[in-house]
Amino acid sequence: EPEVTQTPSHQVTQMGQEVILRCVPISNHLYFYWYRQILGQKVEFLVSFYNNEISEKSEIFDDQFSVERPDGSNFTLKIRSTKLEDSAMYFCASSESAGGRETQYFGPGTRLLVL
Amino acid sequence: GDSVTQMEGPVTLSEEAFLTINCTYTATGYPSLFWYVQYPGEGLQLLLKATKADDKGSNKGFEATYRKETTSFHLEKGSVQVSDSAVYFCALNAYDKVIFGPGTSLSVIP
Repeated sequence: EPEVTQTPSHQVTQMGQEVILRCVPISNHLYFYWYRQILGQKVEFLVSFYNNEISEKSEIFDDQFSVERPDGSNFTLKIRSTKLEDSAMYFCASSESAGGRETQYFGPGTRLLVL
Repeated sequence: GDSVTQMEGPVTLSEEAFLTINCTYTATGYPSLFWYVQYPGEGLQLLLKATKADDKGSNKGFEATYRKETTSFHLEKGSVQVSDSAVYFCALNAYDKVIFGPGTSLSVIP
């Protein structure tokens, strides 16, 4: 069964450093998403992406964050200058199309720890 | 705005007990509803879904029925196993993003 994959599974970085989290969505999916889950808290939407553009973003997704689809398979989330509060699990998701009836499929997540 | 509320945990049950995790939602329109499960140290897995009113989603012995009149999507299982120990998230699809409830931690003891 096709699945969303993410790398790395864990990343430790120093405050102020840039990190890039990578995702490979399901191959025939056209819509891509990033979510994060701070330890012990709920999963929060960050951004949605379609046709090489951001469709929607949350208040969390400020200028420190960016997303990119650098090639036909990868989808990346970059944090330019990490803060301690960026420590969280980051989930990538994809779906065939948008709309209230679509299912988003999630990757296994990248656990980011900012020291 | 759209939101999901679910019963607070943690919930501890003995093996073979009956499980109910309550979930209610607020939404404009008629979103699809989901239950996702997160096993310890792992990512989010889709457990089941329902796309319209009165639909019943089911998987691995878990069931949930989309109740428009009560705006609910309660998760049930007749006989839980130790391997069901996980965090369960109720969620809805608000067109371009999934909105999650806070999660309910379930521990099943032998």
